[in-house]
Amino acid sequence: NAGVTQTPKFQVLKTGQSMTLQCAQDMNHNSMYWYRQDPGMGLRLIYYSASEGTTDKGEVPNGYNVSRLNKREFSLRLESAAPSQTSVYFCASSYGDLVGGYTFGSGTRLTVV
Amino acid sequence: SQQGEEDPQALSIQEGENATMNCSYKTSINNLQWYRQNSGRGLVHLILIRSNEREKHSGRLRVTLDTSKKSSSLLITASRAADTASYFCATARMDSSYKLIFGSGTRLLVRP
Repeated sequence: NAGVTQTPKFQVLKTGQSMTLQCAQDMNHNSMYWYRQDPGMGLRLIYYSASEGTTDKGEVPNGYNVSRLNKREFSLRLESAAPSQTSVYFCASSYGDLVGGYTFGSGTRLTVV
Repeated sequence: SQQGEEDPQALSIQEGENATMNCSYKTSINNLQWYRQNSGRGLVHLILIRSNEREKHSGRLRVTLDTSKKSSSLLITASRAADTASYFCATARMDSSYKLIFGSGTRLLVRP
């Protein structure tokens, strides 16, 4: 019962470096999402993929790109990291019609120095 | 911009008491959901209430929805120390029902 798996759990980057956050789900969900959570705030949607082969911008997409590699995997890439991207990143998945809500991964804590 | 706003931002109660958290939102919704987040962990889905429902129960949880006031409440009865967590409401808008917008959360502390 893995659910949603995110890697890595922690990462420190220097300003300007790039990295990819990986996310995989084993629940046969159609839709996948990337959120960021900053201290004292709720989650803000970065990008989402309603179904395999489609991706769309959320509330805060600037500085990020995504790839829906297949039905299971949805990656988030930071091309040139900035201190403002220091945050906790959560991947989630759902059936798409929201039956049962979202299933979240345990998060990636990213610090950009 | 955030669709849902929780009230209060923080709540401290004694074990055994009931905890009530409120959520207000701005636009018409397809459904509203509540999630729990323990410190340092991911969010866990608690309950979903659709726009045509007024009340829903799940164990010690009771959720109400008033679409005329654009508000919802989450009641946790007979609270336990293990209920200590942050609670978030999230709304799915009518025009994009599979995409959730989260509020800023209520931090609940249940004192033993």
